[in-house]
Amino acid sequence: NAGVTQTPKFQVLKTGQSMTLQCAQDMNHNSMYWYRQDPGMGLRLIYYSASEGTTDKGEVPNGYNVSRLNKREFSLRLESAAPSQTSVYFCASRSGGTKAFFGQGTRLTVV
Amino acid sequence: SQQGEEDPQALSIQEGENATMNCSYKTSINNLQWYRQNSGRGLVHLILIRSNEREKHSGRLRVTLDTSKKSSSLLITASRAADTASYFCATDEMNDYKLSFGAGTTVTVRA
Repeated sequence: NAGVTQTPKFQVLKTGQSMTLQCAQDMNHNSMYWYRQDPGMGLRLIYYSASEGTTDKGEVPNGYNVSRLNKREFSLRLESAAPSQTSVYFCASRSGGTKAFFGQGTRLTVV
Repeated sequence: SQQGEEDPQALSIQEGENATMNCSYKTSINNLQWYRQNSGRGLVHLILIRSNEREKHSGRLRVTLDTSKKSSSLLITASRAADTASYFCATDEMNDYKLSFGAGTTVTVRA
């Protein structure tokens, strides 16, 4: 029972480097989400994909891009990492207006 | 700004006591959900209450929803040390698949 799998679990980047966070779910869910979590800020929505082929901006999309590669996979790309993007990133998935399932998070540090 | 705001930000109680936390939100919703996060882990779904429901129970959890006040409360009865975690409300906005979280309430249950 894999559920939602995020890779990598930890990453350190230098300012200006790029990277892609990967997320895959095996529950045949239509909707997928990317959040970032900073101390005292809860989860803030970066981007979401209501269904395969669609993506929409959330609260904090600047500096990020996403790709819904297929129904299973939703990737988050940082083109030019900045220290302000140091955070824990969570991917989630669900079907319709039901409960969401979360991955274990990616801890990203930008130095 | 975030859709949901929890109150209080932090709560410390003795084992066996009840814990109550509140969530206020801004827009019309389809449903409201509560999640728990243990330190450093992904979020786990606790309970979902639909916009046409006023109260829902699940084990030691009781959730209320007042759509006229745009607020919800989560009550954990007879708390245990294992209930120590952060609790988040999340709203499913009307006519959208966006799932927005508040900043959370950190609950500490003392033995």
